[in-house]
Amino acid sequence: DIQMTQSPSSLSASVGDRVTITCRASQSISSYLNWYQQKPGKAPKLLIYAASSLQSGVPSRFSGSGSGTDFTLTISSLQPEDFATYYCQQSYTTPRTFGQGTKLEIK
Amino acid sequence: QVQLQESGPGLVKPSQTLSLTCTVSGGSISSGGYYWSWIRQHPGKGLEWIGYIYYSGSTYYNPSLKSRVTISVDTSKNQFSLKLSSVTAADTAVYYCARDVEEWLPLGGVCYYFDYWGQGTLVTVSS
Repeated sequence: DIQMTQSPSSLSASVGDRVTITCRASQSISSYLNWYQQKPGKAPKLLIYAASSLQSGVPSRFSGSGSGTDFTLTISSLQPEDFATYYCQQSYTTPRTFGQGTKLEIK
Repeated sequence: QVQLQESGPGLVKPSQTLSLTCTVSGGSISSGGYYWSWIRQHPGKGLEWIGYIYYSGSTYYNPSLKSRVTISVDTSKNQFSLKLSSVTAADTAVYYCARDVEEWLPLGGVCYYFDYWGQGTLVTVSS
């Protein structure tokens, strides 16, 4: 299985901050990397697919980049509704695997 | 707007079989280009993909669960189902169903991603 490792595991930030979350794959996955946001008690929500494509309806302050083994999710200016847990997920091969999550908390 | 809804018992006894159904509305489960997945999340933990089914009936299961998992589809009811046998407390989790999109990228290659999810259902394994 391809292992996905996110860093940091948790992060404190303030409204208006620029935040970057990193995801590293245990082998090259080309650009087959997706990002999800999950709020407590809710299902994950797709933000970014294919490393950098913004899902319809997702605010443009979210962006993704990277290829191969290293990827980033950037939130350009944090809004109150962005405090949540973020997961990366590879779709290069089965089984599909997720990172362990990054919890973004209010400072 | 596609919607997915999980249903099934919230409590299962150890060694028994967990059975869940996902009902899809707002779209046909028989549409090409979509796989239908089950994903679970242990309490306070990350996400684990269980497997998927295509409307034709072809399946792929996570090797970590393969010996205990069966996913089936009923296109007439627009539903797909999960069975997990010989459950233990370690199978206690929130179970999600999700649509797994197959998208051909402009520069080549195919990407898969989960665009619609059910709200999730907590299944507790306990006697």
